[in-house]
Amino acid sequence: EAQLVESGGGLVKPGGSLRLSCEGSGFTFSTYSMNWVRQAPGKGLEWVSSISSSSTYIYHADSVKGRFTISRDNAKNSLYLQMNSLRAEDTAVYYCARGTMGTYDYWGQGTLVTVSS
Amino acid sequence: QSALTQPPSASGSPGQSVTISCTGTSSDVGGYNYVSWYQQHPGKVPKLLIYEVTKRPSGVPDRFSGSKSGNTASLTVSGLQAEDEADYYCSSYVGNNNRVFGGGTKLTVL
Repeated sequence: EAQLVESGGGLVKPGGSLRLSCEGSGFTFSTYSMNWVRQAPGKGLEWVSSISSSSTYIYHADSVKGRFTISRDNAKNSLYLQMNSLRAEDTAVYYCARGTMGTYDYWGQGTLVTVSS
Repeated sequence: QSALTQPPSASGSPGQSVTISCTGTSSDVGGYNYVSWYQQHPGKVPKLLIYEVTKRPSGVPDRFSGSKSGNTASLTVSGLQAEDEADYYCSSYVGNNNRVFGGGTKLTVL
């Protein structure tokens, strides 16, 4: 069965940077579009970024455009999210999720990012 | 892109049916057949229940069904069970390469 494992979360000061990683296993990673979805404490889900299987198409939500960059390395079965200029409102659990067109069929356990001074 | 509109809460007794709505616009829910629904228990990871409006992944009970009329999608849970108590989220492809979630609905089994 497909598995996704995120890492890289932690505490960072406002204006700082962080890079999240997600390693996939149990499926052919290179053939699937991948996504990052976040959930602020006590709040709902928010789509963050998507990347097609070969990185041809990359999309970001307006709330993170210009600050976050999604990327992948299919040779390493890995997905990344480079987060720069972090703000308090970026505090959330960040999930890696497989899927396309707004359908996410497998999710990782999530990694918590806390932006605070 | 604004979030899709869901009622904040819904409830029903065991064995009953409950329907949760997800209202968008002709630019999202009404414009594409890419509406999906997720169940999230407290402290757990979201789980895909319905995709492409009406399709159910393998392993999801047929008590869960999806539909759409105009700009509103709906999730119906039939034969409510105690374990159905959770938060439910809809999601839609928006066009312009965006995706959006609903605000979530807390389902209580009375």
